[in-house]
Amino acid sequence: AQSVTQLDSQVPVFEEAPVELRCNYSSSVSVYLFWYVQYPNQGLQLLLKYLSGSTLVKGINGFEAEFNKSQTSFHLRKPSVHISDTAEYFCAVTFKAAGNKLTFGGGTRVLVKP
Amino acid sequence: DTAVSQTPKYLVTQMGNDKSIKCEQNLGHDTMYWYKQDSKKFLKIMFSYNNKELIINETVPNRFSPKSPDKAHLNLHINSLELGDSAVYFCASSQVNGTVYGYTFGSGTRLTVV
Repeated sequence: AQSVTQLDSQVPVFEEAPVELRCNYSSSVSVYLFWYVQYPNQGLQLLLKYLSGSTLVKGINGFEAEFNKSQTSFHLRKPSVHISDTAEYFCAVTFKAAGNKLTFGGGTRVLVKP
Repeated sequence: DTAVSQTPKYLVTQMGNDKSIKCEQNLGHDTMYWYKQDSKKFLKIMFSYNNKELIINETVPNRFSPKSPDKAHLNLHINSLELGDSAVYFCASSQVNGTVYGYTFGSGTRLTVV
């Protein structure tokens, strides 16, 4: 069975500082990996995805993530955050044989301080 | 045009009532999902339909009954509502047959049972 662990439930960060959100997964087969963002009182929006190929994936709003197969990780980074990046971030994993069933991590709340 | 739309956005109801949430997608995707997000923001899949066929049915009380009249619609009916059903319910869609794009989510239905 696949599972996703987000190691930090909350990450406070100052505006214009870098941020890294950690995500580790477990699966016995090849996976597809995703990061989603949820702004307050809104639905989930896809930030980026890793399907295959280059392990460094660039997404929207200046975010990027690196797939590390040996460490089964898919950490999300942004070099300089804005107040508007305050949100909940979810890492998720699926593999095609699962009917595209997405399994989510517990989420990381990013609070950007001025 | 909204890609995945859910109605209603808010739903407040008394224990024991029966209620429905509707979802429609205009992306031409072949698969739709219902997810439940609890008060701690944890997201868990409930059901998935592929071309009107139920393919994922997680451990959900049988008071919850999904229905997919066509591949663009997936409704969720809940009987005998309980306090513990209070949550945000998200509908999502994806294309399973073909390239994996990830999910597109609706904006959610906040259900409050009093």
